[in-house]
This record gives sequence, C-alpha cells and structure tokens, in this order.
Amino acid sequence: KQEVTQIPAALSVPEGENLVLNCSFTDSAIYNLQWFRQDPGKGLTSLLLIQSSQREQTSGRLNASLDKSSGRSTLYIAASQPGDSATYLCAVPRGGNNDMRFGAGTRLTVKP
Amino acid sequence: EAGVVQSPRYKIIEKKQPVAFWCNPISGHNTLYWYRQNLGQGPELLIRYENEEAVDDSQLPKDRFSAERLKGVDSTLKIQPAELGDSAVYLCASSVASGMVNEQFFGPGTRLTVL
Repeated sequence: KQEVTQIPAALSVPEGENLVLNCSFTDSAIYNLQWFRQDPGKGLTSLLLIQSSQREQTSGRLNASLDKSSGRSTLYIAASQPGDSATYLCAVPRGGNNDMRFGAGTRLTVKP
Repeated sequence: EAGVVQSPRYKIIEKKQPVAFWCNPISGHNTLYWYRQNLGQGPELLIRYENEEAVDDSQLPKDRFSAERLKGVDSTLKIQPAELGDSAVYLCASSVASGMVNEQFFGPGTRLTVL
C-alpha cells in the first residue's frame, strides 16, 4: 500500500528565502510523481510532473527532484514571494492504478 | 482551453437529504476521477472512469454514494442520504493517459456542508 508523507506540515518564511518541501513515499515502483498547489477554498493546480525516468523538472522558480530508490522527492522554491503562500501537495500513483495517492500537504506562508 | 468545470461550488444541506455534484472534464480527456478531501488532508479517490466505464470504485461507499458518466463526458456524483461525516470538498479531475504518464488536472471542487 502506497503511503505518502510530507514534511513539514507547515512552514513560515520571510519573503526572498529559498525553501525546500519534502515528500516521501513507501512504494518506489512509481511511474511518475506530481506536485500540486492548492489555494484556500480552491482546487489543485498542477505545478510539475516528474516521470520515473527523470530526476528533476523545472518551471520558473520551482524545481522538483525525484529519487525513486530512496522514495523521496523535493520541491525547491527559489526567492519566495507572498504569492507563493498556499498548500503544496505531492502525489504518486497508487499501485498499478492511474489514481493518485496524496500526501497531506505542506502549508506555506511567505511573509512580506 | 477550458479547465475542469464543477458545480455547484458550495452546497449546504440537512443530514438525510440527497445531494448531487456535476463535473465537466477537459475536452478530450477520457479518464475522469472523483476525489474527496477532508480538512487538512490530501484528496482520496472515490471512483475513476475510463470513458463511460467505472474501472475503480473500490473506495466508493456504495450504500449511499453513486456516480455515473453517461456518454463518457460529463459525470454526476450523488449522495443519498447525506450524513454529517460527508462534509468535505469533492474534487473532480481528468486526464489523458499517455502510456504510464498520467498528469491529472483538477476542478475547483464542491464544498459540501451537512448540518
């Protein structure tokens, strides 16, 4: 059974800091890993998808890495801004199915 | 390109009442998912459709929950009767499965409050 854990549960940083969000999963036999952003009261916005053959993906100030062997992924946010404040969730496929197993998320607050 | 559309955005009902949620996936996406998200947790899958076929409904509480996806496009999720514990955000997502890569796109969700 795939279990996904995200640490920390909450993070508060001053504007401009670089930060790292962590995601770990128990079953390393995954096809991909996806990072999402969720604003309060809103749905999930896909940020990055890393295929199992890749080690990282970049989009603007975001960089996600994947280490399948250790069951870990990190999301790096450079030069954080108040607009980055949201909950960030990682998700991996559940077993051989296409649906995703989600972590509980990291609630990020970037203070001006 | 329009994203995943869901309605209503909010619903407040008394317990034991029925409720229905509607989802219109991204055009061309053959796979549709319904998730439930409780406060402070990640979404959990309720049911997955491949076109009009429900291929994974193992986590759908079938005594009170039902879903359909007629013609393989729009989908409706129903709860009858609703219980207090059903209060949550119900999210719809869609994807185009490309080999083993399956990027999912989510709608804004329906926030259900059962009183």
